[in-house]
Amino acid sequence: EAQVTQNPRYLITVTGKKLTVTCSQNMNHEYMSWYRQDPGLGLRQIYYSMNVEVTDKGDVPEGYKVSRKEKRNFPLILESPSPNQTSLYFCASSLRQTDYEQYFGPGTRLTVT
Amino acid sequence: KQEVTQIPAALSVPEGENLVLNCSFTDSAIYNLQWFRQDPGKGLTSLLLIQSSQREQTSGRLNASLDKSSGRSTLYIAASQPGDSATYLCAAHTVYLSGGSNYKLTFGKGTLLTVNP
Repeated sequence: EAQVTQNPRYLITVTGKKLTVTCSQNMNHEYMSWYRQDPGLGLRQIYYSMNVEVTDKGDVPEGYKVSRKEKRNFPLILESPSPNQTSLYFCASSLRQTDYEQYFGPGTRLTVT
Repeated sequence: KQEVTQIPAALSVPEGENLVLNCSFTDSAIYNLQWFRQDPGKGLTSLLLIQSSQREQTSGRLNASLDKSSGRSTLYIAASQPGDSATYLCAAHTVYLSGGSNYKLTFGKGTLLTVNP
Protein backbone atom coordinates (compact mmCIF):
# COMPACT_ATOMS: atom_id res chain seq x y z
CA GLU A 1 0.00 0.00 0.00
CA ALA A 2 1.31 3.43 -1.00
CA GLN A 3 1.69 5.49 2.13
CA VAL A 4 3.60 7.97 4.25
CA THR A 5 4.38 6.72 7.73
CA GLN A 6 5.44 8.67 10.79
CA ASN A 7 6.77 7.56 14.14
CA PRO A 8 6.01 8.03 16.89
CA ARG A 9 2.36 8.99 16.62
CA TYR A 10 2.30 10.50 20.09
CA LEU A 11 5.18 11.83 22.15
CA ILE A 12 5.40 13.63 25.48
CA THR A 13 8.84 14.93 26.36
CA VAL A 14 10.58 17.53 28.49
CA THR A 15 12.25 20.77 27.52
CA GLY A 16 15.74 20.29 26.12
CA LYS A 17 15.64 16.56 25.47
CA LYS A 18 16.61 15.91 21.87
CA LEU A 19 14.12 13.96 19.81
CA THR A 20 13.63 12.71 16.27
CA VAL A 21 10.37 12.12 14.44
CA THR A 22 10.79 9.74 11.55
CA CYS A 23 9.02 9.95 8.20
CA SER A 24 9.13 7.36 5.46
CA GLN A 25 7.37 7.01 2.11
CA ASN A 26 7.22 3.99 -0.19
CA MET A 27 6.17 5.76 -3.39
CA ASN A 28 9.63 6.76 -4.70
CA HIS A 29 8.69 10.41 -4.28
CA GLU A 30 11.33 13.07 -4.78
CA TYR A 31 9.68 15.82 -2.77
CA MET A 32 9.11 15.61 0.98
CA SER A 33 8.19 18.19 3.55
CA TRP A 34 7.28 18.78 7.18
CA TYR A 35 4.39 20.86 8.49
CA ARG A 36 3.09 21.79 11.88
CA GLN A 37 -0.57 22.42 12.58
CA ASP A 38 -1.68 24.71 15.38
CA PRO A 39 -5.17 25.94 16.31
CA GLY A 40 -5.92 29.27 14.68
CA LEU A 41 -2.71 29.21 12.65
CA GLY A 42 -3.41 26.34 10.29
CA LEU A 43 -0.71 24.32 8.60
CA ARG A 44 2.73 25.88 8.24
CA GLN A 45 5.71 24.43 6.43
CA ILE A 46 8.84 23.79 8.49
CA TYR A 47 11.31 22.33 5.99
CA TYR A 48 11.16 20.69 2.61
CA SER A 49 13.42 18.55 0.44
CA MET A 50 13.39 18.42 -3.33
CA ASN A 51 15.56 15.30 -3.46
CA VAL A 52 18.31 13.42 -1.66
CA GLU A 53 20.76 15.81 0.04
CA VAL A 54 18.67 18.85 -1.02
CA THR A 55 16.77 20.57 1.79
CA ASP A 56 15.52 24.09 2.39
CA LYS A 57 13.68 26.13 4.99
CA GLY A 58 9.96 26.66 4.99
CA ASP A 59 8.05 29.29 6.92
CA VAL A 60 8.89 28.24 10.47
CA PRO A 61 12.28 26.44 10.51
CA GLU A 62 13.59 27.81 13.82
CA GLY A 63 14.35 25.07 16.34
CA TYR A 64 14.20 22.25 13.79
CA LYS A 65 16.66 20.31 11.66
CA VAL A 66 16.14 17.82 8.86
CA SER A 67 18.23 15.50 6.76
CA ARG A 68 17.61 13.58 3.53
CA LYS A 69 20.22 10.88 3.17
CA GLU A 70 17.88 8.43 1.46
CA LYS A 71 15.03 9.11 -0.90
CA ARG A 72 12.41 7.39 1.24
CA ASN A 73 13.26 8.95 4.63
CA PHE A 74 13.02 12.53 5.90
CA PRO A 75 13.45 12.73 9.69
CA LEU A 76 12.61 15.86 11.69
CA ILE A 77 15.02 16.61 14.51
CA LEU A 78 14.35 18.83 17.51
CA GLU A 79 17.77 19.38 19.13
CA SER A 80 16.44 21.18 22.19
CA PRO A 81 12.62 21.10 22.26
CA SER A 82 10.72 23.91 23.92
CA PRO A 83 7.05 24.17 24.96
CA ASN A 84 6.25 26.37 21.93
CA GLN A 85 7.03 23.37 19.74
CA THR A 86 4.05 21.52 21.18
CA SER A 87 2.01 20.85 18.06
CA LEU A 88 0.65 18.33 15.58
CA TYR A 89 3.30 17.50 12.98
CA PHE A 90 2.71 16.15 9.50
CA CYS A 91 5.11 14.75 6.96
CA ALA A 92 4.11 14.89 3.29
CA SER A 93 5.50 13.72 -0.02
CA SER A 94 4.83 14.10 -3.72
CA LEU A 95 6.36 12.74 -6.90
CA ARG A 96 7.92 16.06 -7.86
CA GLN A 97 8.07 19.53 -6.40
CA THR A 98 5.10 20.84 -8.35
CA ASP A 99 2.11 19.64 -10.32
CA TYR A 100 1.56 16.54 -8.25
CA GLU A 101 -0.66 15.60 -5.36
CA GLN A 102 0.69 15.86 -1.85
CA TYR A 103 0.30 12.74 0.30
CA PHE A 104 0.26 13.21 4.05
CA GLY A 105 1.28 11.00 6.92
CA PRO A 106 -1.06 10.34 9.87
CA GLY A 107 0.56 12.98 12.08
CA THR A 108 2.64 13.06 15.26
CA ARG A 109 1.22 14.80 18.29
CA LEU A 110 4.10 16.24 20.29
CA THR A 111 3.82 17.72 23.77
CA VAL A 112 6.84 19.43 25.32
CA THR A 113 6.54 20.16 29.04
CA LYS B 1 3.12 36.39 -0.24
CA GLN B 2 0.29 33.98 -0.96
CA GLU B 3 -2.66 34.05 1.42
CA VAL B 4 -5.47 31.52 1.31
CA THR B 5 -8.83 32.17 2.94
CA GLN B 6 -11.70 29.76 3.46
CA ILE B 7 -15.22 30.89 4.17
CA PRO B 8 -17.20 29.91 6.12
CA ALA B 9 -15.08 28.62 8.99
CA ALA B 10 -17.87 26.24 9.96
CA LEU B 11 -20.98 24.95 8.22
CA SER B 12 -23.80 22.73 9.45
CA VAL B 13 -26.28 21.21 6.99
CA PRO B 14 -28.96 18.50 7.01
CA GLU B 15 -28.25 15.23 5.29
CA GLY B 16 -28.98 15.22 1.57
CA GLU B 17 -28.27 18.89 0.99
CA ASN B 18 -25.95 20.06 -1.76
CA LEU B 19 -23.30 22.48 -0.51
CA VAL B 20 -20.43 24.67 -1.63
CA LEU B 21 -17.21 25.40 0.22
CA ASN B 22 -15.23 28.46 -0.80
CA CYS B 23 -11.51 29.10 -1.08
CA SER B 24 -9.84 32.32 -2.19
CA PHE B 25 -6.17 33.09 -2.81
CA THR B 26 -4.35 36.37 -3.29
CA ASP B 27 -1.61 35.40 -5.78
CA SER B 28 -3.05 34.05 -9.03
CA ALA B 29 0.33 32.69 -10.19
CA ILE B 30 -0.41 29.22 -8.90
CA TYR B 31 0.64 25.87 -10.34
CA ASN B 32 -2.37 24.07 -8.97
CA LEU B 33 -4.83 23.97 -6.13
CA GLN B 34 -5.55 20.95 -3.97
CA TRP B 35 -8.50 20.14 -1.71
CA PHE B 36 -8.04 17.95 1.35
CA ARG B 37 -10.22 16.38 3.97
CA GLN B 38 -9.09 16.07 7.59
CA ASP B 39 -10.92 14.01 10.18
CA PRO B 40 -10.43 14.91 13.86
CA GLY B 41 -6.95 13.95 15.06
CA LYS B 42 -6.08 12.43 11.70
CA GLY B 43 -3.94 13.24 8.72
CA LEU B 44 -4.97 14.94 5.50
CA THR B 45 -6.55 12.98 2.68
CA SER B 46 -6.26 14.41 -0.81
CA LEU B 47 -9.64 14.85 -2.50
CA LEU B 48 -8.98 16.70 -5.74
CA LEU B 49 -6.07 18.41 -7.47
CA ILE B 50 -6.82 21.05 -10.10
CA GLN B 51 -3.97 22.11 -12.37
CA SER B 52 -3.73 25.80 -13.21
CA SER B 53 -4.75 25.06 -16.81
CA GLN B 54 -7.93 23.27 -15.72
CA ARG B 55 -11.28 24.74 -14.75
CA GLU B 56 -12.64 21.83 -12.72
CA GLN B 57 -12.16 18.31 -11.48
CA THR B 58 -14.73 15.75 -10.42
CA SER B 59 -14.59 12.69 -8.20
CA GLY B 60 -17.83 10.98 -7.30
CA ARG B 61 -20.06 13.46 -5.46
CA LEU B 62 -17.29 16.05 -5.33
CA ASN B 63 -16.63 18.74 -7.90
CA ALA B 64 -13.93 21.37 -7.54
CA SER B 65 -13.64 24.44 -9.74
CA LEU B 66 -10.82 26.90 -10.21
CA ASP B 67 -10.94 30.49 -11.45
CA LYS B 68 -7.38 31.85 -11.38
CA SER B 69 -8.32 35.29 -12.61
CA SER B 70 -10.62 35.91 -9.67
CA GLY B 71 -8.47 33.96 -7.21
CA ARG B 72 -11.21 31.52 -6.28
CA SER B 73 -11.87 27.83 -5.98
CA THR B 74 -15.03 26.07 -4.85
CA LEU B 75 -15.67 22.55 -3.66
CA TYR B 76 -19.17 21.33 -4.40
CA ILE B 77 -20.48 18.34 -2.45
CA ALA B 78 -23.65 16.76 -3.79
CA ALA B 79 -26.19 14.91 -1.66
CA SER B 80 -24.21 15.31 1.55
CA GLN B 81 -23.98 12.44 4.04
CA PRO B 82 -23.07 12.30 7.75
CA GLY B 83 -19.83 10.59 6.73
CA ASP B 84 -18.83 13.79 4.92
CA SER B 85 -18.47 15.53 8.28
CA ALA B 86 -14.85 16.69 8.54
CA THR B 87 -12.64 19.73 8.06
CA TYR B 88 -12.01 20.63 4.43
CA LEU B 89 -8.79 22.40 3.55
CA CYS B 90 -7.67 23.99 0.32
CA ALA B 91 -4.03 24.60 -0.51
CA ALA B 92 -2.47 26.67 -3.29
CA HIS B 93 0.82 25.55 -4.86
CA THR B 94 2.89 28.60 -5.76
CA VAL B 95 6.44 28.85 -7.03
CA TYR B 96 8.53 31.94 -6.32
CA LEU B 97 11.45 32.23 -8.74
CA SER B 98 13.85 34.31 -6.67
CA GLY B 99 17.43 33.07 -6.90
CA GLY B 100 16.33 29.49 -7.42
CA SER B 101 12.84 28.15 -7.23
CA ASN B 102 11.08 28.15 -3.93
CA TYR B 103 8.10 25.93 -3.99
CA LYS B 104 5.41 26.70 -1.46
CA LEU B 105 2.14 25.09 -0.50
CA THR B 106 -0.07 27.57 1.35
CA PHE B 107 -3.06 26.25 3.26
CA GLY B 108 -6.29 27.89 4.25
CA LYS B 109 -7.49 27.35 7.81
CA GLY B 110 -10.28 25.08 6.71
CA THR B 111 -14.05 24.79 6.84
CA LEU B 112 -15.48 22.50 9.51
CA LEU B 113 -18.44 20.72 7.92
CA THR B 114 -21.10 18.95 9.98
CA VAL B 115 -23.78 16.95 8.16
CA ASN B 116 -26.69 16.15 10.46
CA PRO B 117 -28.70 12.94 9.98
